[in-house]
Amino acid sequence: GQQVMQIPQYQHVQEGEDFTTYCNSSTTLSNIQWYKQRPGGHPVFLIQLVKSGEVKKQKRLTFQFGEAKKNSSLHITATQTTDVGTYFCAGRRPGANNLFFGTGTRLTVIP
Amino acid sequence: DTGVSQDPRHKITKRGQNVTFRCDPISEHNRLYWYRQTLGQGPEFLTYFQNEAQLEKSRLLSDRFSAERPKGSFSTLEIQRTEQGDSAMYLCASSLEGEQGKQPQHFGDGTRLSIL
Repeated sequence: GQQVMQIPQYQHVQEGEDFTTYCNSSTTLSNIQWYKQRPGGHPVFLIQLVKSGEVKKQKRLTFQFGEAKKNSSLHITATQTTDVGTYFCAGRRPGANNLFFGTGTRLTVIP
Repeated sequence: DTGVSQDPRHKITKRGQNVTFRCDPISEHNRLYWYRQTLGQGPEFLTYFQNEAQLEKSRLLSDRFSAERPKGSFSTLEIQRTEQGDSAMYLCASSLEGEQGKQPQHFGDGTRLSIL
């Protein structure tokens, strides 16, 4: 079955440092979405990537979709304490209805 | 607040009891999803509705689990004869109709189930 793995599982950074999480799928994806879940909260949609090699930016966040559409990354520049939470990628296989969520990367930002 | 609403927020029950959760999606969303999330893991897909039709069920959804969306609006998820392993957060999400799987999903706050 499809598996979506994320690394690292945990990341502690000093405020102002950069952060990157990587998402890898065992199968080619039709599209990938990224979600953020704050401690005690629910996942909140951040962005969707559809095209091979696509790069999208949201302020300090940069999202990439791999050329083979099997991997993706999220990079945060100059982290802030408000960036704390768990970041999940979620991918969909071509023709499938449901999303497969990754294992998540839990980010802690030390002030 | 017109977000996804779930009830109850917490449910504690003894093993072997039946439980039912409710989800009210965003009103204009015709797609509704149920997920299960355990500590330190991502949400795991359970089932999906488009309007009142249940279109897909995960293998995780054993015969003790049943979900309905009778009028295409709110949905219920019932677990019969609960087991310790059912302890988890049960998340509901809804989305607009569009190209399959390419609409953002909006999640509720979840129902946390604890089996004693």
